[in-house]
Amino acid sequence: QVQLVESGGGVVQPGRSLRLSCAASGFSFNTFAMHWVRQAPGKGLEWVAVISSDGSNKFYADSVKGRFTISRDNSKNTLFLQMNSLRVDDTSIYYCARDLYSSPWSPLDYWGQGTVVTVSS
Amino acid sequence: QSVLTQPPSVSGAPGQRVIISCTGSSSNIGARYDVHWYQQLPGRAPKLLIFGDTNRPSGVPDRFSGSKSGTSASLVITGLQAEDEADYYCHSYDRSLSGWVFGGGTKLTVL
Repeated sequence: QVQLVESGGGVVQPGRSLRLSCAASGFSFNTFAMHWVRQAPGKGLEWVAVISSDGSNKFYADSVKGRFTISRDNSKNTLFLQMNSLRVDDTSIYYCARDLYSSPWSPLDYWGQGTVVTVSS
Repeated sequence: QSVLTQPPSVSGAPGQRVIISCTGSSSNIGARYDVHWYQQLPGRAPKLLIFGDTNRPSGVPDRFSGSKSGTSASLVITGLQAEDEADYYCHSYDRSLSGWVFGGGTKLTVL
């Protein structure tokens, strides 16, 4: 069965960095685009970034552009999110999710359980 | 302010029917990008409920249905059950933003 397991969250000071990982299993990881979506405490879902199946194309929300970098290692079935220059408003649960069709028309059909990032001094 | 607008809350008694709306614009829903719906139970990750405007993934009861017209979409839940109490989010693509967007979410309360 499809499994996505995030890790790497924690408490970090503003301006510092953190790297999230998402370990995938149960499907051919290298054939699916993957997304990061976050949810601030008590708030709704916010799309963060997407990466194509081969890692050649990446797109970001304006709120994280220039600070966050999405990447993947298909040999290890792992998705990453490098988060630099973290701000207090980056505090969220971060979910990785699979893109069913790898297109703008695609739903996110499987989600991980999330990893919590808290940015605080 | 979310690009896709949903009512903050809806409620209904067990067995009743509720409708959750999702209003977008000509750069997302109106541009014919598919709308998807997710259910998020308290303390859980979101789960795909409806994809491609009207389709249910395997295992989702037919009490849940979706529709789309113009720049809006709707999620209809019939025969409300206590277990349906959750947050519901619509999701689409926005060509002006060149990115994916979610509605602000709707909290469903089963009375």
